[in-house]
Amino acid sequence: GAGVSQTPSNKVTEKGKYVELRCDPISGHTALYWYRQSLGQGPEFLIYFQGTGAADDSGLPNDRFFAVRPEGSVSTLKIQRTERGDSAVYLCASSLSLPGAGNTIYFGEGSWLTVV
Amino acid sequence: AQSVTQPDIHITVSEGASLELRCNYSYGATPYLFWYVQSPGQGLQLLLKYFSGDTLVQGIKGFEAEFKRSQSSFNLRKPSVHWSDAAEYFCAVLIGSQGNLIFGKGTKLSVKP
Repeated sequence: GAGVSQTPSNKVTEKGKYVELRCDPISGHTALYWYRQSLGQGPEFLIYFQGTGAADDSGLPNDRFFAVRPEGSVSTLKIQRTERGDSAVYLCASSLSLPGAGNTIYFGEGSWLTVV
Repeated sequence: AQSVTQPDIHITVSEGASLELRCNYSYGATPYLFWYVQSPGQGLQLLLKYFSGDTLVQGIKGFEAEFKRSQSSFNLRKPSVHWSDAAEYFCAVLIGSQGNLIFGKGTKLSVKP
């Protein structure tokens, strides 16, 4: 597709379970980002990839959260031992290259995670 | 610490009226500033961005924003609001040159017929 694609769009899981959220960026975009948006809040930065490597993971809240991008395209956000506080919309975004060079960051529609 | 403040949580305007959404930022260096719009169940769509140059920036859907360094502000404006503009609007500042956008908490816009 033309935009950033995220799956699943909705996920309900039990507390303590493991969850994977997938992001397929716009073709050719080298930069990929994960954000988390809680109800009534703006998105919060989690991690940024340039190519295959995590260039900045300072936003990951704790070691239960991990993200990979093994081939520099699709990325997976992994959450271990989920907690009710992890319930949020997880947004993926991509840009052609560094946004500081004037490249627009395009967002997907998000994966809504509910932990019960 | 870097931050973005959107003082208005919810604004209601009549269709055809003018609109101004406020945004103030706190950032030590030259800011890269953005306005995004989010409709229910939709992703964030970029309205406009400021990197340098002319401080009055034109965006999509008839929106514009003005960067005022002295006031640390980047307010969004539209001269005549349409019912389809009802959505949530987010102001953001880019930290450094990478992908760490700091967002405000958003302003929800309702449009009265």
